[in-house]
Amino acid sequence: DQQVKQNSPSLSVQEGRISILNCDYTNSMFDYFLWYKKYPAEGPTFLISISSIKDKNEDGRFTVFLNKSAKHLSLHIVPSQPGDSAVYFCAARVYNTNAGKSTFGDGTTLTVKP
Amino acid sequence: DAGVTQSPTHLIKTRGQQVTLRCSPKSGHDTVSWYQQALGQGPQFIFQYYEEEERQRGNFPDRFSGHQFPNYSSELNVNALLLGDSALYLCASSEGQGFTDTQYFGPGTRLTVL
Repeated sequence: DQQVKQNSPSLSVQEGRISILNCDYTNSMFDYFLWYKKYPAEGPTFLISISSIKDKNEDGRFTVFLNKSAKHLSLHIVPSQPGDSAVYFCAARVYNTNAGKSTFGDGTTLTVKP
Repeated sequence: DAGVTQSPTHLIKTRGQQVTLRCSPKSGHDTVSWYQQALGQGPQFIFQYYEEEERQRGNFPDRFSGHQFPNYSSELNVNALLLGDSALYLCASSEGQGFTDTQYFGPGTRLTVL
């Protein structure tokens, strides 16, 4: 039973346009959500997070939206840049628990074309 | 300042063998977590070490064991290797038992079991 799902294995967008990456979760106990970015031959790096008391969190070009009733979150990248091409992982856990308790999705490979 | 380093980069073993992977955390970090990332999937938490003791463990069998040294570096040992153990093994370091989003991942060790 996969508790965190990223249903799109890949996404391709044009430079300057918006990238929208989606994530769904099934465990109602999850109340803290994170996005990580991973380049080839590197480990994942933390990108942005959101707790369930918010429905939006913004950091520069990156915005995460949370829809608790739908158990759905999305990461918006505006404008997309070629350097954003990477694998993006969505992760979820219960807030204030050990980061190792995060459950990861299988990732979405984003390709931004110049 | 060196980040998280892991060795070796790649490793090929045969079924039934034993393997040891190594991790040096980021300077100033005292907590090391290990993850297994199978092809096409997200990272799965194996266990975490803090103050030379295993503090948290994911859903992995006892064939997976570890150690943390006084200098905070860590080893992951896998006994009786199975084909299904083929994966990228990621190490992440953090401060204070990982109750933070700021985990720093190493580039990983690619293990292939033949």
